[in-house]
Amino acid sequence: AQSVTQLDSQVPVFEEAPVELRCNYSSSVSVYLFWYVQYPNQGLQLLLKYLSGSTLVESINGFEAEFNKSQTSFHLRKPSVHISDTAEYFCAVSGLGSYKLIFGSGTRLLVRP
Amino acid sequence: GAVVSQHPSRVICKSGTSVKIECRSLDFQATTMFWYRQFPKQSLMLMATSNEGSKATYEQGVEKDKFLINHASLTLSTLTVTSAHPEDSSFYICSAPRGGLENEQFFGPGTRLTVL
Repeated sequence: AQSVTQLDSQVPVFEEAPVELRCNYSSSVSVYLFWYVQYPNQGLQLLLKYLSGSTLVESINGFEAEFNKSQTSFHLRKPSVHISDTAEYFCAVSGLGSYKLIFGSGTRLLVRP
Repeated sequence: GAVVSQHPSRVICKSGTSVKIECRSLDFQATTMFWYRQFPKQSLMLMATSNEGSKATYEQGVEKDKFLINHASLTLSTLTVTSAHPEDSSFYICSAPRGGLENEQFFGPGTRLTVL
């Protein structure tokens, strides 16, 4: 069984400042890791994913996450945030060969001008 | 990219009535779809796995007679909330994995159910 922990329920940050959203996972088997973003009253959009290979993965809008197996972490980072990045961010895990996603509790990123 | 739609996007109903929510994969076939429930400011909780041509698989604690799932075709799954009560009010989201894109799932926009 897998589980995901997002310790920060909300992260307020000023525009153009860097941000890190933390995600730790627990699993007895190898996993795939995902970050999803949810804007108000909308479904989830895939931000980035780690399946294998390079431990650093990037999205098209400046976010990146690094898979750290020894620390069982997959923290999300962005060097300079925009107001439009304000949203709920969910970290998720699935076992290899399984489509079933286990989500963390989510982190609300609040970007202030 | 792959698109998953849900209908309706928002529904308000009286207590005791049944509500059907549709989830469609618009440009790919999905033998499996997933239904999630999300309470305000909380995470997504997997309710069930919808399987085309066979019975749905429900997660522990989810009443299968309350939440009826029918995977009618390779592009359509429906969730029917039977005899809805105010505590069933929630945001329901479906997802569908697309073959060939390792473990990637595509999510519908969600359906906001309010039971009065």
